Formats: sequence, C-alpha cells, structure tokens
Amino acid sequence: DAKTTQPPSMDCAEGRAANLPCNHSTISGNEYVYWYRQIHSQGPQYIIHGLKNNETNEMASLIITEDRKSSTLILPHATLRDTAVYYCIVRPPGTYKYIFGTGTRLKVLA
Amino acid sequence: DTGVSQNPRHKITKRGQNVTFRCDPISEHNRLYWYRQTLGQGPEFLTYFQNEAQLEKSRLLSDRFSAERPKGSFSTLEIQRTEQGDSAMYLCASSSHRDKNTEAFFGQGTRLTVV
Repeated sequence: DAKTTQPPSMDCAEGRAANLPCNHSTISGNEYVYWYRQIHSQGPQYIIHGLKNNETNEMASLIITEDRKSSTLILPHATLRDTAVYYCIVRPPGTYKYIFGTGTRLKVLA
Repeated sequence: DTGVSQNPRHKITKRGQNVTFRCDPISEHNRLYWYRQTLGQGPEFLTYFQNEAQLEKSRLLSDRFSAERPKGSFSTLEIQRTEQGDSAMYLCASSSHRDKNTEAFFGQGTRLTVV
C-alpha cells in the first residue's frame, strides 16, 4: 500500500500558485519524498524530491514540514499545461520500487 | 540523451498470443524498472533490475510474465498467452546507481490492448 495520502482532486486558476498537499505520517528518517506527475496517456514525469530540507528547481518547490509527516508541492505560476495527476511517493526502505497511490488530479482553469 | 525509450508504443493482440515489449534505458543507468498501469489507477510495480540481475519481482508478475535484461542494457518484458486482463499501459523506468535515492525517469509506455 502507498505510504502517502493525497486529496483526489484540486482546481487552480491559471497564473496562480498551485499547492498540492501530501501526508506521509509513517515516513522514516532516511526516506525521501518524491513527486511525479502524469499527463494523460504519457509516462510519469519526475518533478522533485527531498529528504528534510525544502527543495526548489525549475519546475516546482517542495516544502517538507519539520516533523516530515507532510509535504506540499508548489507550482508557482500554474499554466494549463500543468493539468495532470500528481503523485507523492515515499519509497519503502530497502527497496527501489515506487508505490504509487491514486494521486491528485489537478485541473488548471483558464 | 533521448531519455527512456519504449517500443512499440501501441500493441493490439488477440487473446492467447504472446507479446514482447522492449525498453532502452537512459545510457549508463544500471537500474531498470517495469510498471503496469490500468485505467484510472497509478502505476503498479512489476520488477526491478540492477545491471542484468533481476532483484525484485512483484506478486503481480505471474508465471505468464517474464522480464530479462541480458547484457545490463536494454530490457524485454514478455507476456505469454495474453488475457484481456493484461490490457494496460506497460511503463519502463531507469535510474543511476550513483545515488540510491536518485530519481527514476520513465518512458512513454507501451499500451497493450488484448482483444
């Protein structure tokens, strides 16, 4: 079973920041949080990952709470092309596999 | 680097036939993964290779499924005696061995339809 929980869907106005939450209350100290997105009929696209410090790259920012039990993916200026299913993943220890949940379906509205 | 490449992109086959899919990972990535995704669901892990060694297999990988990575480069996934329930998107991913926490990159998948 996935170790994360996410809201099933969210809407965001174009040009506004999209904040996608994820709960991972059972995360252990050395497990990273990964975010991927999947646009219809395409393979998952890597966005960002982190351990405990906040991370930023050209696509997004990842904010991880101090207790590491939750995180938020921030798309600073959402565009219509950001409409996708977003997956938050914590990989089980001792394995290299990702366990995907059902993700959050983000719809960016014009 | 062109990313993870999967062929074919689409495959339609009759029930009972065998099918084989190919995955070419990003060059120098020694870790390779296969996933399956059905409509409305997230990808499900099938198997994982480190170089040519198959190190992890899901219970989803029934005896009709076999995956190989003979030279530690490209990989093939074969499904024998296909069933309609095998209809899905089959995804391949690869990652570098340099850091065990490094991200994996996915291909565009092979969509299988069993009729």
